[in-house]
Amino acid sequence: EPEVTQTPSHQVTQMGQEVILRCVPISNHLYFYWYRQILGQKVEFLVSFYNNEISEKSEIFDDQFSVERPDGSNFTLKIRSTKLEDSAMYFCASRPGQGITNTEAFFGQGTRLTVV
Amino acid sequence: AQKVTQAQTEISVVEKEDVTLDCVYETRDTTYYLFWYKQPPSGELVFLIRRNSFDEQNEISGRYSWNFQKSTSSFNFTITASQVVDSAVYFCALSGGGYGNKLVFGAGTILRVKS
Repeated sequence: EPEVTQTPSHQVTQMGQEVILRCVPISNHLYFYWYRQILGQKVEFLVSFYNNEISEKSEIFDDQFSVERPDGSNFTLKIRSTKLEDSAMYFCASRPGQGITNTEAFFGQGTRLTVV
Repeated sequence: AQKVTQAQTEISVVEKEDVTLDCVYETRDTTYYLFWYKQPPSGELVFLIRRNSFDEQNEISGRYSWNFQKSTSSFNFTITASQVVDSAVYFCALSGGGYGNKLVFGAGTILRVKS
């Protein structure tokens, strides 16, 4: 069964450092997302990406964040200068595109980011 | 704006009891989708069910059943004869009718099933 793959599963970084979280969405999906879950809290939307551009972003997704789909398969989330409050589980998700009945978002297993 | 409310923060039951997790949503969209996800202690998000706003049929899948009522904007989830393996955080989520719309999650309900 196709799945969304995220690497690494856990990343520890020092405050102020740049991190890149990587995701390989399901190959025929067209919509890609990043969500964040601070420990013990709800899952929050960060950004959606379609047709090689951001289609929607939340207030959390400020100038420190960026997304990219550099090679048609990977989908990355970059945090330029990490802060302690960026510590969270980051989930990548993908959804099929038009012509298919709107289905669930398929989530990766998450990357736990710890900023120290 | 869309909003999902899961008023039950935590529920504890004894194995074999039935348990219902409540979900109330708000949206101005006429077409929308509702979801339930399970998050076990390992942390991943496991899809359980999707319902379309135009389909109010209740659904049963094994020990799981869902009650969707547009009149009360609710999408409740019942586990029959709960098992210890059902212990997890359960999230209700909502998305608009567009193909790529984001999911808006509720705060989640922690379910603890004791043996």
